[in-house]
Amino acid sequence: DAGITQSPRHKVTETGTPVTLRCHQTENHRYMYWYRQDPGHGLRLIHYSYGVKDTDKGEVSDGYSVSRSKTEDFLLTLESATSSQTSVYFCAISDIGFNEQFFGPGTRLTVL
Amino acid sequence: RKEVEQDPGPFNVPEGATVAFNCTYSNSASQSFFWYRQDCRKEPKLLMSVYSSGNEDGRFTAQLNRASQYISLLIRDSKLSDSATYLCVVNGEDSSYKLIFGSGTRLLVRP
Repeated sequence: DAGITQSPRHKVTETGTPVTLRCHQTENHRYMYWYRQDPGHGLRLIHYSYGVKDTDKGEVSDGYSVSRSKTEDFLLTLESATSSQTSVYFCAISDIGFNEQFFGPGTRLTVL
Repeated sequence: RKEVEQDPGPFNVPEGATVAFNCTYSNSASQSFFWYRQDCRKEPKLLMSVYSSGNEDGRFTAQLNRASQYISLLIRDSKLSDSATYLCVVNGEDSSYKLIFGSGTRLLVRP
């Protein structure tokens, strides 16, 4: 299995609080992605990174920001969490952009 | 139209059965195609890439039809452990390094 970890694995927070999710890889892959998965919607891309400090928005980026200061770490921040951001968040990595992606174990976030 | 469309199922089949899933995609310029498997409450895992000439991996066969813009997955001799959701994945329209995931087809294999 690809070396990808996510932390925390589970989090319950309250509306309006900031939340940061971390994705850490040991594969030295250039590309990193954040997705959310909700029933009826499948996996939707939030933000992605194509190198250190190089990031771009996905299809559902509103309310989220990201940072990548090192190859191995990609952080997803919810500046002010809302109940609509309750979801399962997956991080993925890829060595070449059009190649297959490998996923971390996911973070279950509940916003009350 | 969704970029990647799949029948959500569930497909309920007995052990030993052969089952096939199809998936259609909208971007005729797509170059990368994959099938992923996702177990309940787990991350998606790559099952196999799909090549133009078709490819096989044990009991699994994937086919690509570019003219009709669909890909298929055939599972022979189904096992109980094949029960999962199968995701069809295609690279995105505006960028080759974004993948578009279908919502998945659920397979239930019964004893």
